[in-house]
Amino acid sequence: EIVLTQSPGTLSLSPGERATLSCWASQSVSSNYLAWYQQKPGQAPRLLIYGASSRATGIPDRFSGSGSGTDFTLIISRLEPEDFAVYFCQQYGSSPYTFGQGTKLEIK
Amino acid sequence: EVQLVQSGAEVKKAGESLKISCQGSGYSFASYWIAWVRQVPGKGLQWMGIIYPGDSDTRYSPSFQGQVTISADKSINTAYLQWSSLKASDTAIYYCARQAVAATSRYYFNFWGQGTLVIVSS
Repeated sequence: EIVLTQSPGTLSLSPGERATLSCWASQSVSSNYLAWYQQKPGQAPRLLIYGASSRATGIPDRFSGSGSGTDFTLIISRLEPEDFAVYFCQQYGSSPYTFGQGTKLEIK
Repeated sequence: EVQLVQSGAEVKKAGESLKISCQGSGYSFASYWIAWVRQVPGKGLQWMGIIYPGDSDTRYSPSFQGQVTISADKSINTAYLQWSSLKASDTAIYYCARQAVAATSRYYFNFWGQGTLVIVSS
């Protein structure tokens, strides 16, 4: 089973700042099959990024994903108030298709 | 419009059985894998398993194999998650989610149900 470790656990930033979230895999993720999701309180997760770097439909271009192998990054270039949420990575390269434990992005 | 509508919250006692549902609409239900994901309130997401409603091919996470049963009835566009004997540790929110690209091995999810809260008292 691939274990995904997200860092940091909590990130405190202000609107307008740049956020960098990391996701490390215990083994190489096949075909860079890594997705990122955003979850707000009381809501289901929302797909942001798939294939490590492709934005899902309707996702603003301030969200970008990068990385390969075991090291992946989600960048939010200029934080908007609605971006403060919890972010999860998920690998779908090998079963079980595990999630990271999440990074909480909070307003500083 | 694609929608996944889950059944309502449940409060059960340990040892009881339970089956929750996820009804899809607005797309070809049989053609997309559906996953079940567990979330203990305030905690992370755990991938439980997936099912292809077209032929009921099902795969489980080892952590949930033997603990739950995933099934689907394509005639009524509904997937199910069931327990034969609930434990207090099953208390969580359960989400169903649809894969983004039909009938592929790309198991990322762009449509999610609203979640079903299951509370199990001991």
